Amino acid sequence: KNEVEQSPQNLTAQEGEFITINCSYSVGISALHWLQQHPGGGIVSLFMLSSGKKKHGRLIATINIQEKHSSLHITASHPRDSAVYICAAENSGGSNYKLTFGKGTLLTVNP
Amino acid sequence: NAGVTQTPKFQVLKTGQSMTLQCAQDMNHEYMSWYRQDPGMGLRLIHYSVGAGITDQGEVPNGYNVSRSTTEDFPLRLLSAAPSQTSVYFCASSYNIFRARTYEQYFGPGTRLTVT
Repeated sequence: KNEVEQSPQNLTAQEGEFITINCSYSVGISALHWLQQHPGGGIVSLFMLSSGKKKHGRLIATINIQEKHSSLHITASHPRDSAVYICAAENSGGSNYKLTFGKGTLLTVNP
Repeated sequence: NAGVTQTPKFQVLKTGQSMTLQCAQDMNHEYMSWYRQDPGMGLRLIHYSVGAGITDQGEVPNGYNVSRSTTEDFPLRLLSAAPSQTSVYFCASSYNIFRARTYEQYFGPGTRLTVT
């Protein structure tokens, strides 16, 4: 069982809709990363958070440490938001470092 | 800055051949890593390095070797390619991860490798 679970696996939305992608993790973490991967492969870091909430443009990421849960929200979705969104749990400390990835959520936004 | 660069972008190998995937970064990052991405699976860590001269194994290291002679470069070597190594390979880098802070990961564009 993967230590990081994302839901849904696939998500189709109409342009303008509010999108939520969820990420649950089963271990203690130092930080939670949200990444975006467009068709063609490139991976870009969107957010890195260890508590609370972060906002960048139409994207919002939240994390609840007690519940071991994070969400990525996209407001006023646009076809260019179509991509795979990946969450990754970071464990770091001392000489150890581990980044465990979810399997990703494929988002398709139709015009 | 060019960021993280990877070469080649595509490669086809025959079983048993060897090759080196190149990765370089110009951001003076101390931490570098190699991942493979397979359909239906999350990114999996192959090897990583926390600085020049220091490397360690990740989750799926078998069949791969790495070295880190400089801060900038982190090549991944396949000694004897197998069809199971058909995958997309990503190199990533980050600042020093042991400074009581966490830093975002910067990814290269990926190398699509097919082993026949």
